Amino acid sequence: QTVVTQEPSFSVSPGGTVTLTCGLSSGSVSTVHHSSWFQQTPGQAPRSLIHGTTIRSSGVPDRFSGSILGSKAALTITGVQSEDESDYYCLVYFVGGTWVFGGGTKLTVL
Amino acid sequence: ELQLVESGGGLVQPGESLRLSCEASGFTFNTYWMYWVRQAPGKGLVWVSQTSTDDGRTNYADSVKGRFTMSRDNAKNTVYLQMNSLRAEDTGVYYCARDSRDYGAPYGMDVWGRGTTVTVSS
Repeated sequence: QTVVTQEPSFSVSPGGTVTLTCGLSSGSVSTVHHSSWFQQTPGQAPRSLIHGTTIRSSGVPDRFSGSILGSKAALTITGVQSEDESDYYCLVYFVGGTWVFGGGTKLTVL
Repeated sequence: ELQLVESGGGLVQPGESLRLSCEASGFTFNTYWMYWVRQAPGKGLVWVSQTSTDDGRTNYADSVKGRFTMSRDNAKNTVYLQMNSLRAEDTGVYYCARDSRDYGAPYGMDVWGRGTTVTVSS
């Protein structure tokens, strides 16, 4: 089974910009994979940020954006705020009807 | 208000069964694909299963295939996860989620419940 890869951790300063990526152990991520991004803080349910590669979920600030960068899906956060310190997960769809989450990226704002 | 409320979690012994439920409200339930996702303690999210709007198409992760069955009752706005032959590695929080668009093929989750905890231990 293809593994979905994410950076284990990332650090960013308040007000800065960070781009988290989501790749495949074999092949490239494209729009056919319907990549999604979720934010999760400890003890809470995941919150949907992006679905369908670029579509922002309801209520999500426009400083969160999704894209394809080269062979990977990407989540870019501009004007990072302290409240953005969370775990971020990507999700990728595979033909045949299965989904695979990445291992998650722990974002630290310092 | 969009809402998904899971129930049915608990402590069971290895080899036993458990049935989770997820009741939906605030949207037209029978037009959305639905999902189950789980998270072991201190670990990441894992997709478990999905079912189509009419319960006709259901897919599972390899780790639960043959042991878990997802179903839905559109008259009750509820999805279920029947879990048999439970193992210690099935321990975790189980989340119910809704697809991001109505009708058509699945597109990824956008509304999540708060989860229900399953513990498999002797």
